[in-house]
This record gives sequence, structure tokens and C-alpha cells, in this order.
Amino acid sequence: DAGVIQSPRHEVTEMGQEVTLRCKPISGHNSLFWYRQTMMRGLELLIYFNNNVPIDDSGMPEDRFSAKMPNASFSTLKIQPSEPRDSAVYFCASSWEDSYNSPLHFGNGTRLTVT
Amino acid sequence: GQQLNQSPQSMFIQEGEDVSMNCTSSSIFNTWLWYKQDPGEGPVLLIALYKAGELTSNGRLTAQFGITRKDSFLNISASIPSDVGIYFCAGRADYGGSQGNLIFGKGTKLSVKP
Repeated sequence: DAGVIQSPRHEVTEMGQEVTLRCKPISGHNSLFWYRQTMMRGLELLIYFNNNVPIDDSGMPEDRFSAKMPNASFSTLKIQPSEPRDSAVYFCASSWEDSYNSPLHFGNGTRLTVT
Repeated sequence: GQQLNQSPQSMFIQEGEDVSMNCTSSSIFNTWLWYKQDPGEGPVLLIALYKAGELTSNGRLTAQFGITRKDSFLNISASIPSDVGIYFCAGRADYGGSQGNLIFGKGTKLSVKP
């Protein structure tokens, strides 16, 4: 089991540039979650998908953020245009199903720095 | 909205010591989870609690779901150097609800005493 795979591990970009973060969930998992982690706000849920369909995107901070899941094995989180306050670690997580007793498996995150 | 208060924010441990940390919520929760995050990695689930009063162990770790349903505790016995990291509590208020309703505490950072 390869676990949840995120790329890139680190991303440094200039303000105004487009950033795309990628995630490959664990094979067979039907739910996928994008989180953002900062010192000030901790772990915050941005959006999650069930069976490739977005269920709740109320955590997406602004229209600059968008997420897609074109198939069961791939998801992207895009920020366009990026701003310095977007600097954070972004985690992708997946679970077998969207139920209370199906644990979340996190990837190792993408550390984004926007200068 | 719902919030989780986790304490202490940080603590130093000496090998062999027992460690305790807790998490409280402003409202009733029906699921409590404890995660550990090592540097440069994502959180990993340690213990899951689904019933008020439940006491569950995972090796040297023991967690309890408070009777009031507004708190949970994590204890680590006989700590070892690899216990350092950040421990997060997470909770959910709705019965059998979606993972999307999971709320995380701000974490307790465990470091080794200098």
C-alpha cells in the first residue's frame, strides 16, 4: 500500500502565479479530502469528494481556489492567482468511505510558499 | 462554530515519563479521534473513540472519551524519544456523520527536554 501520494512536496512561487497541487488517493478509497494547515488556524477542511463528486466546498476560502477530481485516482487543488497568505501546508487525505468509522489517511503534504 | 481547545499547547518530556493531554469542546461530540504528526509528514490516526466513557489503548497510548461528551484525554506511558511530534485531537458532533464534519484541535507539541 503506497499511501496517499501528493506532489510536489514543496512549491515556491511568486504572488499572482497559478499553483496546482496534486493528489493520488489510496486505491479503492471512495472519499477524498483537501486540508490546509497553518500555525494560526491549524487544520482546516477545504473541500471533500465522494465518488469523485464534490460534496462540500464551504471551506474553500475564495474563488481563487478550485478543486477537481476527474477520476477515482487523481485530484487537483488549484490556486489562481496565488497570494502570500496562501502559504501553508496543504494535505490530501482519503478514506474507504465517507462514514464516521472509516479513518482518514493523510498524505505527506505540499508545503506552499508564495512570495 | 464548534471549537476544540487542546492543552497543553506544548510540553517537554524526559524518556520514561508519563504524558497527558486533553481536548475539550464547547458542545457535545459523538466521536473523538487522536492523531500524531511527525515533522514533514501527515497526521496518522492513533486511537478512535465512538462511545461516551470508552477507554481504548494502543500500546503505550490510552485515550478516553469523556462522560460529558465534551472532552477526551490521551495518555502516553513511559515515553520514548520517538514519541516527540504533534498530537491532534479531532471530533465530530453528529452521529454517524460525514468525515467532512470532523474538527481538529490546534495540537500539542511534544519535545524532548534539553
